[in-house]
Amino acid sequence: DTEVTQTPKHLVMGMTNKKSLKCEQHMGHRAMYWYKQKAKKPPELMFVYSYEKLSINESVPSRFSPECPNSSLLNLHLHALQPEDSALYLCASSQVAGAGNEQFFGPGTRLTVL
Amino acid sequence: AQSVTQLGSHVSVSEGALVLLRCNYSSSVPPYLFWYVQYPNQGLQLLLKYTSAATLVKGINGFEAEFKKSETSFHLTKPSAHMSDAAEYFCAVSVRGGGNKLTFGTGTQLKVEL
Repeated sequence: DTEVTQTPKHLVMGMTNKKSLKCEQHMGHRAMYWYKQKAKKPPELMFVYSYEKLSINESVPSRFSPECPNSSLLNLHLHALQPEDSALYLCASSQVAGAGNEQFFGPGTRLTVL
Repeated sequence: AQSVTQLGSHVSVSEGALVLLRCNYSSSVPPYLFWYVQYPNQGLQLLLKYTSAATLVKGINGFEAEFKKSETSFHLTKPSAHMSDAAEYFCAVSVRGGGNKLTFGTGTQLKVEL
């Protein structure tokens, strides 16, 4: 199984809502990533988890809260988002978090904040 | 810090013609270089990667890229374009000590015409 799955595919939320994005992989990878991609732009790294520990936070606002409950699962908890947070959120995984390791991407969650 | 520049945000070729997508990198240490493809409303798929082995790298779907240190380039080519190649292409770089953080170029939209 060389797939990264993400749920939901689409999410619409108000600025006062709390929601979560879920990402799962069963490749035995020990590094997982969250990226944000605005329309017509490249992905921007948000967080990196290595062996279930947060290793990189790219100065992401606290309204985004990542969680890695186990080596296969990565969540992104959302609270009090702004309309400018509307984007495609991509999850990725790699064998380990070392340079040169191929990152496998999921299909993304399309988030709209009203 | 490392960076990637992709010349040409839009490239248009005829079906059967050569595809050439340009990527130049900047890095003070040896880089790892990647080409990813993104189809509409999908995640990213790895086409190929350079990790300091052979300078000519062959990837999936008939694509290849050549690492040229003297020119700091990693251009992507395919001898004969197919309609199914129409997509967004991203060049990306990572370096040791960076936690496998990928820094992406701004992307090139490839259009294939009959």
